[in-house]
Amino acid sequence: GQNIDQPTEMTATEGAIVQINCTYQTSGFNGLFWYQQHAGEAPTFLSYNVLDGLEEKGRFSSFLSRSKGYSYLLLKELQMKDSASYLCAVTDSNYQLIWGAGTKLIIKP
Amino acid sequence: IAGITQAPTSQILAAGRRMTLRCTQDMRHNAMYWYRQDLGLGLRLIHYSNTAGTTGKGEVPDGYSVSRANTDDFPLTLASAVPSQTSVYFCASSVTGEGTDTQYFGPGTRLTVL
Repeated sequence: GQNIDQPTEMTATEGAIVQINCTYQTSGFNGLFWYQQHAGEAPTFLSYNVLDGLEEKGRFSSFLSRSKGYSYLLLKELQMKDSASYLCAVTDSNYQLIWGAGTKLIIKP
Repeated sequence: IAGITQAPTSQILAAGRRMTLRCTQDMRHNAMYWYRQDLGLGLRLIHYSNTAGTTGKGEVPDGYSVSRANTDDFPLTLASAVPSQTSVYFCASSVTGEGTDTQYFGPGTRLTVL
């Protein structure tokens, strides 16, 4: 079966750095997405990785290792507004998007 | 309008009633999707459409139907609602139906079936 694993919940301190991990077992791989979802709102696109390595976009970076079936989202200089759920999703060999259950990130002052 | 709109925002429905959730996008995207989101389960695909006139079943299609008469609209119908269909429903769209395209989501419909 296809599976995406993320921690259910993480807590971090304002101004700090946090890394949210995502591991996947899917039938093939054609890319990995990270979305942000604030409580009561729709998911919004953060990043897309298809090649190994780190993609940096301001305070947010996303890393991919295809050989390890592993990705992480790195958030730097955390702000209170970063409190949200972070969803990992993988495109499989049939170009279907498989979603993880999401990681709820709580930022404390 | 810009992006994707959904209606209604929320709804309380008696079991056995028929309900249609509306979704409209103005980005001229070819592909559209309906998801439900339940606590701890993440987003689950109900139905999708890769282009106007075609539809397909997702992971959890039972009890739901869709139509895609034109590019902009993708309504989701619950023929006879049951309490297990209580959920938050998100409509999304992307340029193509390939899973490598970014999906853009509507604001969601919170549905409670009693």
